[in-house]
Amino acid sequence: GENVEQHPSTLSVQEGDSAVIKCTYSDSASNYFPWYKQELGKRPQLIIDIRSNVGEKKDQRIAVTLNKTAKHFSLHITETQPEDSAVYFCAASEANTGNQFYFGTGTSLTVIP
Amino acid sequence: EADIYQTPRYLVIGTGKKITLECSQTMGHDKMYWYQQDPGMELHLIHYSYGVNSTEKGDLSSESTVSRIRTEHFPLTLESARPSHTSQYLCASRGSWGTDTQYFGPGTRLTVL
Repeated sequence: GENVEQHPSTLSVQEGDSAVIKCTYSDSASNYFPWYKQELGKRPQLIIDIRSNVGEKKDQRIAVTLNKTAKHFSLHITETQPEDSAVYFCAASEANTGNQFYFGTGTSLTVIP
Repeated sequence: EADIYQTPRYLVIGTGKKITLECSQTMGHDKMYWYQQDPGMELHLIHYSYGVNSTEKGDLSSESTVSRIRTEHFPLTLESARPSHTSQYLCASRGSWGTDTQYFGPGTRLTVL
């Protein structure tokens, strides 16, 4: 089955700096990669996703990049703000049979004002 | 509004009790999932379902059961609650297409004394 690894497990940045979280996956059949943000005491919520037919996707201060050859994808947050502080999870799924999401172990991001 | 609902949101119960955590979704999704998560930590898949009368065990399925009699309803039952079951339980659902993302309910925070 699929194995998703996520690094780092914790990340602290100064407000205004950039943050990068990286994930690797093992199953070359995976072709859908969402990122979730979970604020304290709340449910995980989708913030951005990417499909394997594109290499990069941006949404304002958030971007995701995908390298299918190396089987890794990354979340980039620019101009970080204190409200970006949360736990971030990456996931991988295989689109055709796609019954399970395989989640990374999470990254706790702290943005220091 | 289409959403995922979980009840109760909080539950404190004694050891040995049988409990059922309710999950309903009005999103018309075929696929539903139960995860166990300690605050801010990894998501552990307990059970999942592809549709009515379909259930599968995840990595953490022991000591619990699920049923899927109706598309919108996916309850989780703990036959005999133990202190080790103290955790947050998240229900999630997903559409039929492989690249449809997974949406989470608000969670049930369970404490077993």
